[in-house]
Amino acid sequence: DVKVTQSSRYLVKRTGEKVFLECVQDMDHENMFWYRQDPGLGLRLIYFSYDVKMKEKGDIPEGYSVSREKKERFSLILESASTNQTSMYLCASNRGLNTDTQYFGPGTRLTVL
Amino acid sequence: GEDVEQSLFLSVREGDSSVINCTYTDSSSTYLYWYKQEPGAGLQLLTYIFSNMDMKQDQRLTVLLNKKDKHLSLRIADTQTGDSAIYFCAESGYGGATNKLIFGTGTLLAVQP
Repeated sequence: DVKVTQSSRYLVKRTGEKVFLECVQDMDHENMFWYRQDPGLGLRLIYFSYDVKMKEKGDIPEGYSVSREKKERFSLILESASTNQTSMYLCASNRGLNTDTQYFGPGTRLTVL
Repeated sequence: GEDVEQSLFLSVREGDSSVINCTYTDSSSTYLYWYKQEPGAGLQLLTYIFSNMDMKQDQRLTVLLNKKDKHLSLRIADTQTGDSAIYFCAESGYGGATNKLIFGTGTLLAVQP
């Protein structure tokens, strides 16, 4: 069974703080993804990684950065959190095949005050 | 660019059939997916259909694909209160090693007892 875990289910931070969201998968997947989910907007891709130390911007990368130092771990970093980054953040992973579905973590609900 | 659209809300009575619709724009999509998100949880894959198929049935779920109209639907027979969730359709292009998915906005299915 594929397992994707995220470090926190709920997180409350203050404006200007640096925030780290961690994601770990245990299936040796090549690809990992970070999305944010907002009502009425569905899932929007922030960044993805197709290999260790490799990353590509998704549709909404502004205000975010990522780190993938090990294959199983993909971190999303908010350098200086802002209130408009209050959202649900979902991590996903899959194998490096064109047609492989993505497996999702449970999500982290981040509130920035 | 690619776009996937869904209606935002559907309400049905327990025991009735539910039909959730989705339209997409990328005609090169290889697979189309339906994901389910229960309250407070991540997304789980419900079913998928390969682009050269018209229909796929899996127990209470029936997926219909009209490739000409770029229309995808998910029918849930004998809908139960446990089916209440947000349903996302997603398309997968045949593009590179990362297998990015484009998600719709999600349809909230409310099942009335």
